[in-house]
Amino acid sequence: DVKVTQSSRYLVKRTGEKVFLECVQDMDHENMFWYRQDPGLGLRLIYFSYDVKMKEKGDIPEGYSVSREKKERFSLILESASTNQTSMYLCASNPGRPQHFGDGTRLSIL
Amino acid sequence: QQQVKQSPQSLIVQKGGISIINCAYENTAFDYFPWYQQFPGKGPALLIAIRPDVSEKKEGRFTISFNKSAKQFSLHIMDSQPGDSATYFCAASIGTSGSRLTFGEGTQLTVNP
Repeated sequence: DVKVTQSSRYLVKRTGEKVFLECVQDMDHENMFWYRQDPGLGLRLIYFSYDVKMKEKGDIPEGYSVSREKKERFSLILESASTNQTSMYLCASNPGRPQHFGDGTRLSIL
Repeated sequence: QQQVKQSPQSLIVQKGGISIINCAYENTAFDYFPWYQQFPGKGPALLIAIRPDVSEKKEGRFTISFNKSAKQFSLHIMDSQPGDSATYFCAASIGTSGSRLTFGEGTQLTVNP
């Protein structure tokens, strides 16, 4: 079974902090994705990566950056957290189709 | 701009009834249409998927109906059970490389016993 692990289930941070969300997959998948999930808006793609050190902007990249130094790890970075970034963040990976998701990190920015 | 529109936002069905969730898309280049099921506290999990060269796909109690000319597809859950209560997302993607998904807004399904 594919396992996508997000390091934190719940996270509370303060406005202006630099926040790191970590995601690890154990299936040697080349593709990894970061989404945010908000009620009534579904899942929206923030960034994705097709390979190590490679990244592409998704639909809502503003205020976020990513890092992929190793194939199995994809990090989402909030450079200066703001309250409108309070959300559920989901990581996914795939070798093609379909995508396999982690259980999410619920991030609150106070 | 939402490229995949999903309705209804919420749905309440009695046990044994049929649940129907609808999605419409705009981009005719989409060639893969999955449905994901998400339980509270869990990430979405693939439920069933279809390609546009078929009009229907059935897996157990779950059926996708696909109408290419109308650019619409729907999920039918037959004999709905309380254990089906979850949030359902339709999605669409282009090609196999990377396969970035565009999701609908989600439907909160409640099946009453």
